Order: sequence, then structure tokens, then C-alpha cells
Amino acid sequence: QKEVEQNSGPLSVPEGAIASLNCTYSDRGSQSFFWYRQYSGKSPELIMSIYSNGDKEDGRFTAQLNKASQYVSLLIRDSQPSDSATYLCAASGGYQKVTFGTGTKLQVIP
Amino acid sequence: GAGVSQSPRYKVAKRGQDVALRCDPISGHVSLFWYQQALGQGPEFLTYFQNEAQLDKSGLPSDRFFAERPEGSVSTLKIQRTQQEDSAVYLCATGQTTYEQYFGPGTRLTVT
Repeated sequence: QKEVEQNSGPLSVPEGAIASLNCTYSDRGSQSFFWYRQYSGKSPELIMSIYSNGDKEDGRFTAQLNKASQYVSLLIRDSQPSDSATYLCAASGGYQKVTFGTGTKLQVIP
Repeated sequence: GAGVSQSPRYKVAKRGQDVALRCDPISGHVSLFWYQQALGQGPEFLTYFQNEAQLDKSGLPSDRFFAERPEGSVSTLKIQRTQQEDSAVYLCATGQTTYEQYFGPGTRLTVT
């Protein structure tokens, strides 16, 4: 079992809709959580980080963390075709190592 | 400002050759990570430096892999006697802390 699990997708949503991306993690010692966006052939780009239970909003992006359920999610409002990419969830135990999931491919249909 | 740079961007090696991959961090970034990313997978942690100290090398897959950062800036990942399973994109990421990592463009290694 991977330490960080994501549905590989693809997740297809129409332009303007809300895209919901989910992630679960197995290490209860994980303290920090991240969402990265990776366009095809490019390197990952950090879009959100979250450290405490609840919601964190940044523009069209909202990250949600539930440590009791070991669950992290990313909501993208008003999805745009330019949001089409693979979204990587990552977790860190507070020391150096960051563990990534395999990513969810998002397709926003115009 | 300049981002993380990596060189070469592409490397083709014959099986058994040694390769060296370079990472130039953003100026002032003390944390430096190396990852290996296979096609369709997320990045897999290889090793971590804080300045010149290699604090975690638990992800290096074998003793053929070696990383260094002698002056706390540029880092080199060396792979000896390359094997086909080493074919992947090697990503370097740096940050002022361990929590926010900025990735370089990666080096795509193909072992034939």
C-alpha cells in the first residue's frame, strides 16, 4: 500500500465547474500536506500547502484537510482548460522526506 | 529571479556507463532534494541536503547512486554502472525550508 493514495483519473469536468481531487494518506505522523500541479512534460509546481484541519482558500483553489480521516482534498472552482494537468498530493512527517502520490489527471472540457 | 536549473536536460547512456546530473539551486535555498520520477508516477524521494550536509539518503535505490553538495550550493547526483531500470526523469527541488519546494525542469535519463 502506497503511503499517499490518489485516484489516477482522468477526472473530466466541464469548463466553469468545480473539480474535486481527493487524496488519502496512511502515516498518522504526517503533519504537512501539499498539492502540486504538473503539466505534461514539465516539473511539479506547488499550488497549495495545508498544515491544520479545515479549509484553506487561495483564489480559485481550496485545500481541505481532515487528519482524523487521513484525507486531503483540493477543490478548483470555475475550472478552466488551462487547469488541465496532473495534480500530485504530497505529505510530510515534519522531517525532511516528502512522499508523493501518483497523481490525478484532470481534464477540463471547453 | 532565476529558478532551479538542471543539466543536462536529456541524457542517453549506454548500460554500464556512469552519469552525473547537476542541480543549481535558487540562491539562498538551504534545502535541496533529489527525486526520481518514472512515467505515470509521482516523484519518489531519493535524498535530502541541508546546506552541505546530506541528512537523508534513505531513498537512494542502490549503492550505485551517490549524491553530493560539497559547498552547500550546486549538487550532483551520480549514477554508476547505469541499468535500464534507472531510466526516468530526475528532479531536483530546493527551498528555504523543507516545506516549500521549487522544482527544476528535470533531467530525462534514458539508458539503452
